[in-house]
Amino acid sequence: DAGVTQSPTHLIKTRGQHVTLRCSPISGHKSVSWYQQVLGQGPQFIFQYYEKEERGRGNFPDRFSARQFPNYSSELNVNALLLGDSALYLCASSLASGAGTEAFFGQGTRLTVV
Amino acid sequence: DAKTTQPPSMDCAEGRAANLPCNHSTISGNEYVYWYRQIHSQGPQYIIHGLKNNETNEMASLIITEDRKSSTLILPHATLRDTAVYYCIVRVAHSGAGSYQLTFGKGTKLSVIP
Repeated sequence: DAGVTQSPTHLIKTRGQHVTLRCSPISGHKSVSWYQQVLGQGPQFIFQYYEKEERGRGNFPDRFSARQFPNYSSELNVNALLLGDSALYLCASSLASGAGTEAFFGQGTRLTVV
Repeated sequence: DAKTTQPPSMDCAEGRAANLPCNHSTISGNEYVYWYRQIHSQGPQYIIHGLKNNETNEMASLIITEDRKSSTLILPHATLRDTAVYYCIVRVAHSGAGSYQLTFGKGTKLSVIP
């Protein structure tokens, strides 16, 4: 089975532009979460979606938005990019059912804002 | 979720057991201990999790103290490929479709030395 896949792997954008990052979860997983990891820090939670509904949101500005599609894939959108948005963006999928569910991460999208 | 404390770095000789400690003195009764690791520039990799009992899988063993205020991740025979940042995370396991959020700290950078 394929793991969590993210696209693109690398991206360079200019300040003020917007960006869309994509994630396909593991087959059978209905929950997708997004994390931002800046250099030298641990990943920070941005959003979680389950069955196309937002289930959790981290402390990020409204420039960040996301959605989940009927096939459980997801997009993360960031508007009005700032230099500080440069980071590794990680997607994780999980079954989101039962106790002790683990999340599986993709390899991430490296976003550089110049 | 309860806060965790980990040493910033550790060294381990190749072939020896690596013992990574984690303090979580404010852990609640329904909170699980999760361990993830992140090899440079890759997405975090799930290792193991537990609630009360010690756990073992093909990657590692998790030893949780009886009072649950601390735990140790054991890699029985460390190899150079185990060099990574190891994150100890404590979270509530929600049944059904509750919000799934991992709160990462800075982790322990484990260096396996030849």
